[in-house]
Amino acid sequence: DAKTTQPNSMESNEEEPVHLPCNHSTISGTDYIHWYRQLPSQGPEYVIHGLTSNVNNRMASLAIAEDRKSSTLILHRATLRDAAVYYCILEDGGSQGNLIFGKGTKLSVKP
Amino acid sequence: DVKVTQSSRYLVKRTGEKVFLECVQDMDHENMFWYRQDPGLGLRLIYFSYDVKMKEKGDIPEGYSVSREKKERFSLILESASTNQTSMYLCASSLGPPDPPSEQYFGPGTRLTVT
Repeated sequence: DAKTTQPNSMESNEEEPVHLPCNHSTISGTDYIHWYRQLPSQGPEYVIHGLTSNVNNRMASLAIAEDRKSSTLILHRATLRDAAVYYCILEDGGSQGNLIFGKGTKLSVKP
Repeated sequence: DVKVTQSSRYLVKRTGEKVFLECVQDMDHENMFWYRQDPGLGLRLIYFSYDVKMKEKGDIPEGYSVSREKKERFSLILESASTNQTSMYLCASSLGPPDPPSEQYFGPGTRLTVT
């Protein structure tokens, strides 16, 4: 399975944009890029996913590099409720849908 | 909204006991998953099921079994609990065929302590 590399932790100020990077240099052509987050004492929560093109939804934006070897999750205005561990995950489009979670990036948001 | 519920938030069992963790989803999802989460190790897949009565081993199935008699319910069974199975257990479900991939919805987790 292709692996992802994320920083262990990042800090942000409230109401500022946050860019969470993810490297996936061994990504294959059929791998989808997923982002999930896990708030303290909760199960993970889906954020966004994409294949080749940039994606936007109500929670975030996903910017995918042209060579697909890296991606960036963008939170446009961080709030205190966005403090969580963010996981970048690759999923083979032909798989059964099981995700392999890495260690993620712990995002702290300062008021 | 999709809801995935787990039978207990906290559970304490003794070594050697048989333990049942129940998970129910209310959105007619085809796929269901059981993970465990440990500090420093992240989430690891134990078993998953993509249809009633079907099951597939994940990365760490040893010491566990599963049951899916009905579409909405997926049970994780520890036949003889051991202290190294003390962990947070997370259940998830997803709609169906992975192309395009469908998002997984997670339950709140069960923190199991085996003494």
